[in-house]
Amino acid sequence: NAGVMQNPRHLVRRRGQEARLRCSPMKGHSHVYWYRQLPEEGLKFMVYLQKENIIDESGMPKERFSAEFPKEGPSILRIQQVVRGDSAAYFCASSPPGGPVTDTQYFGPGTRLTVL
Amino acid sequence: GQQLNQSPQSMFIQEGEDVSMNCTSSSIFNTWLWYKQDPGEGPVLLIALYKAGELTSNGRLTAQFGITRKDSFLNISASIPSDVGIYFCAGQWTYDKVIFGPGTSLSVIP
Repeated sequence: NAGVMQNPRHLVRRRGQEARLRCSPMKGHSHVYWYRQLPEEGLKFMVYLQKENIIDESGMPKERFSAEFPKEGPSILRIQQVVRGDSAAYFCASSPPGGPVTDTQYFGPGTRLTVL
Repeated sequence: GQQLNQSPQSMFIQEGEDVSMNCTSSSIFNTWLWYKQDPGEGPVLLIALYKAGELTSNGRLTAQFGITRKDSFLNISASIPSDVGIYFCAGQWTYDKVIFGPGTSLSVIP
């Protein structure tokens, strides 16, 4: 069973460009979470999605950031008009549907975004 | 907002020594998690705890969910070089975001 997949692993953008980060959850998982990690820090929650629904976006910046998890295909985190402060590692996690003991989140390898 | 504190911030130990690290929270959780992160990789789940007072082992790792539901500890016995990395504690409510601590960096001296 393949783990959570993210691509690209590394992404370089110039200020003002758009960044698109993709996440394919583990097979059978219907919940996707995005986190951001700055150097020397822990991961910070951004957004929680189920198929075609945003459940909690309380950690997402109000402007320039958006996320989707369509019925078919991967989840996408989109950052428009990137700025240097967006440089970070972005991690996706997925969890299966089910009871309280089965909602453990499994993380992908991350996308390292560098804004020049 | 919810905050987790981890101690110590970093540790340097000799190979073969036991390690103990703690995590405290300003809020209660119904799940405590311990993750390890290697450089350039995502966090890997080590142990999940679902009940207050629960003590769970995974090989050389042992973790406990504090009875107040506001703390947890992780012990590593007989450390080896591959234990090097950053250890994150995390708290979670069911089907909710994971709140991560700032991490404990572990270095093992052969």
